[in-house]
Amino acid sequence: DVKVTQSSRYLVKRTGEKVFLECVQDMDHENMFWYRQDPGLGLRLIYFSYDVKMKEKGDIPEGYSVSREKKERFSLILESASTNQTSMYLCASSYPNSAIYGYTFGSGTRLTVV
Amino acid sequence: LAKTTQPISMDSYEGQEVNITCSHNNIATNDYITWYQQFPSQGPRFIIQGYKTKVTNEVASLFIPADRKSSTLSLPRVSLSDTAVYYCLVGDAANNAGNMLTFGGGTRLMVKP
Repeated sequence: DVKVTQSSRYLVKRTGEKVFLECVQDMDHENMFWYRQDPGLGLRLIYFSYDVKMKEKGDIPEGYSVSREKKERFSLILESASTNQTSMYLCASSYPNSAIYGYTFGSGTRLTVV
Repeated sequence: LAKTTQPISMDSYEGQEVNITCSHNNIATNDYITWYQQFPSQGPRFIIQGYKTKVTNEVASLFIPADRKSSTLSLPRVSLSDTAVYYCLVGDAANNAGNMLTFGGGTRLMVKP
């Protein structure tokens, strides 16, 4: 069964900490995505990557950075965590033709910043 | 990217058929229509996709009229476990690097006993 695995299901971090969220996929997908999901706001795209070392800003990149050193791994970095970054973070991957093959999502990481 | 509009929420009862309609008036020739389902505390999962007419799988049916400006997801005989948020997405089928889909707010379906 194909998988997108997020390293942590729940995280609690302190304000100002540097936070790493890790995502690994085993499907040899070119595209990888990071979303955050908040009540009433749906899924909002933070960053995506269509190849190793390539990244593009999504709708809400402020306060975040990403790293993709290997095809299977896409990391989301909160440089200095703030309480307004408390959210559910979802990683997804896809072939280049997302409209045809669709996204595979991970189970999510619920991050709480205190 | 074509914008989609769907109801914010719907209620139903177990055993009923549920139809969720999505509007996508500016859909382009190359666009496909895809529906995702999301349970609480989980990531969305693909349930069905189509280009025109009707598509059916073990989970749902998707009806797309000739003008393709809307689509209807049909869930036959829903159960409590179908309570979820359903997202309608429209995306370009071109095989471009970085091709991505845009999620809207979805429709929150509540199935009652």
